[in-house]
Amino acid sequence: EAQVTQNPRYLITVTGKKLTVTCSQNMNHEYMSWYRQDPGLGLRQIYYSMNVEVTDKGDVPEGYKVSRKEKRNFPLILESPSPNQTSLYFCASSFISTGRDTQYFGPGTRLTVL
Amino acid sequence: AQRVTQPEKLLSVFKGAPVELKCNYSYSGSPELFWYVQYSRQRLQLLLRHISRESIKGFTADLNKGETSFHLKKPFAQEEDSAMYYCALIYNQGGKLIFGQGTELSVKP
Repeated sequence: EAQVTQNPRYLITVTGKKLTVTCSQNMNHEYMSWYRQDPGLGLRQIYYSMNVEVTDKGDVPEGYKVSRKEKRNFPLILESPSPNQTSLYFCASSFISTGRDTQYFGPGTRLTVL
Repeated sequence: AQRVTQPEKLLSVFKGAPVELKCNYSYSGSPELFWYVQYSRQRLQLLLRHISRESIKGFTADLNKGETSFHLKKPFAQEEDSAMYYCALIYNQGGKLIFGQGTELSVKP
């Protein structure tokens, strides 16, 4: 089944403990992106990637890192999580490298940082 | 700064009533605009994109460049339309995607 998967789906951690949220797509999409969803703020883009080894900042990149070593995977790394990074995170992918196409979303990862 | 604004956090209508979810944007170029929908316990999914000019599930949206708006409309709301709706914009060169704050639509029987 063509889809975007994220792991883990739920995560509770403590301040400062490095974590990685994985994102994988099996649709051979060029564009991948990470968003966080917060009440009243909608979705805000963290980072996006238009191709392998090409990543760029979205609107809220502070405190996050990403890498795109292979086409299908786009992990989100929090080197030193803080409570203000408690949020619902979504990964998405799109066929066209510019992202000017339908975004296919993962199921979301709910992160709590204590 | 480029921005997408959805002025209503919550819109509540009765079944069969017309619905209009507002979306205004600020961008000086030629943006591409989308409406995404999130039904309860489901993933975000594309509802409409302005470039395709399709009607999906009875919804339509027209890009008004003069008013910088992309309002979503449906003449007769159904209970199954209850969901969270997001308007989104992508720059003409691609890459950065901006979402509005979202509007929760509640259709009452």
